[in-house]
Amino acid sequence: EAQVTQNPRYLITVTGKKLTVTCSQNMNHEYMSWYRQDPGLGLRQIYYSMNVEVTDKGDVPEGYKVSRKEKRNFPLILESPSPNQTSLYFCASSLLGEETQYFGPGTRLLVL
Amino acid sequence: AQTVTQSQPEMSVQEAETVTLSCTYDTSESDYYLFWYKQPPSRQMILVIRQEAYKQQNATENRFSVNFQKAAKSFSLKISDSQLGDAAMYFCAYRYNNNDMRFGAGTRLTVKP
Repeated sequence: EAQVTQNPRYLITVTGKKLTVTCSQNMNHEYMSWYRQDPGLGLRQIYYSMNVEVTDKGDVPEGYKVSRKEKRNFPLILESPSPNQTSLYFCASSLLGEETQYFGPGTRLLVL
Repeated sequence: AQTVTQSQPEMSVQEAETVTLSCTYDTSESDYYLFWYKQPPSRQMILVIRQEAYKQQNATENRFSVNFQKAAKSFSLKISDSQLGDAAMYFCAYRYNNNDMRFGAGTRLTVKP
């Protein structure tokens, strides 16, 4: 089944404790992206990648890192999480030239 | 920068009735894509319908249809014969040239039995 997977789905952590949210897709998509969803703001892009080893900042990149070492994986790293990073996070992917993005199930993060 | 505005934070509809969700956007581009996504309580983002800006014909998917007014930069979603399962948050989104997708703030739809 074609899908985007994210792990973990739920995470509670404390300020300053490094964490990684994994994202993987099995559709051979070049484009991958991370969004955060906050009430009243919709989804906002954090980082995106057009292909392996090619990443760029979105609208809200502060406090986040990403890497794209393999085509299928695009992990989101929070080196020192803070409470304002409490949010619902989505990974998405698409083929280059195809405008429809496919979303993972979301990861709900709470930073205490 | 492109922006997407959904002016209705909440809407409600009676089961079997029709409801229209509004969306406007701002862009200087002529060739782009517009989307409506549904987010049920499970939080999954589900594509409802998409529209290519170069197509004049409005997209339709079963009970879901859009009214795309390119000159007015308006992209509304009409849900006919509303069902209880249509209750969700609906997001309007814009995408141009493989760049990031811009989302509106969302409209929460309630369906009354």
